[in-house]
Amino acid sequence: QKEVEQNSGPLSVPEGAIASLNCTYSDRVSQSFFWYRQYSGKSPELIMSIYSNGDKEDGRFTAQLNKASQYVSLLIRDSQPSDSATYLCAVATSGTYKYIFGTGTRLKVLA
Amino acid sequence: DGGITQSPKYLFRKEGQNVTLSCEQNLNHDAMYWYRQDPGQGLRLIYYSQIVNDFQKGDIAEGYSVSREKKESFPLTVTSAQKNPTAFYLCASRQSTDTQYFGPGTRLTVL
Repeated sequence: QKEVEQNSGPLSVPEGAIASLNCTYSDRVSQSFFWYRQYSGKSPELIMSIYSNGDKEDGRFTAQLNKASQYVSLLIRDSQPSDSATYLCAVATSGTYKYIFGTGTRLKVLA
Repeated sequence: DGGITQSPKYLFRKEGQNVTLSCEQNLNHDAMYWYRQDPGQGLRLIYYSQIVNDFQKGDIAEGYSVSREKKESFPLTVTSAQKNPTAFYLCASRQSTDTQYFGPGTRLTVL
């Protein structure tokens, strides 16, 4: 069974701090990795995608991928109360059209 | 506006009743997906379709049916055989770069 694991949280950080969210996956041939943000009662919205080892930055968000260790992380700098949401990690294997989602980490940014 | 629409936003089903959830996209995406999300759980794949007139079962297809007669449309029918259908249903479509985008969701409740 291919799995994607996330700590369910809640992860609480003070406003302005860096939030670090982690995700591990079991399928070594996974090639595409995604972070989605989901507010309560809403659908997931894409934050970042990453395909190669290393860091990818987009504004306050940085995705980090380490295929050898099979983990992907999301850093949120200068966290804001509006960042409070559940963050879903998703993994796909190229060509399969199927995605495996983690159960999400709930982030709470305290004002 | 380009995007994915789902209707209705809320749906109530009586015992033994079939109901159909609508999903339409004008993004010209080939692949479309249906997921189910239960409280505290990740997204579970019900069905997916890579091209018109073709679809595959996901991990939890029992009690559900789909059709893909048009590229833009991928309706999901929840049949009476689905014994625990109360959940948040999410439709998604995928562009060529592997990225999935989600519709706003339909919340189904069994009365």
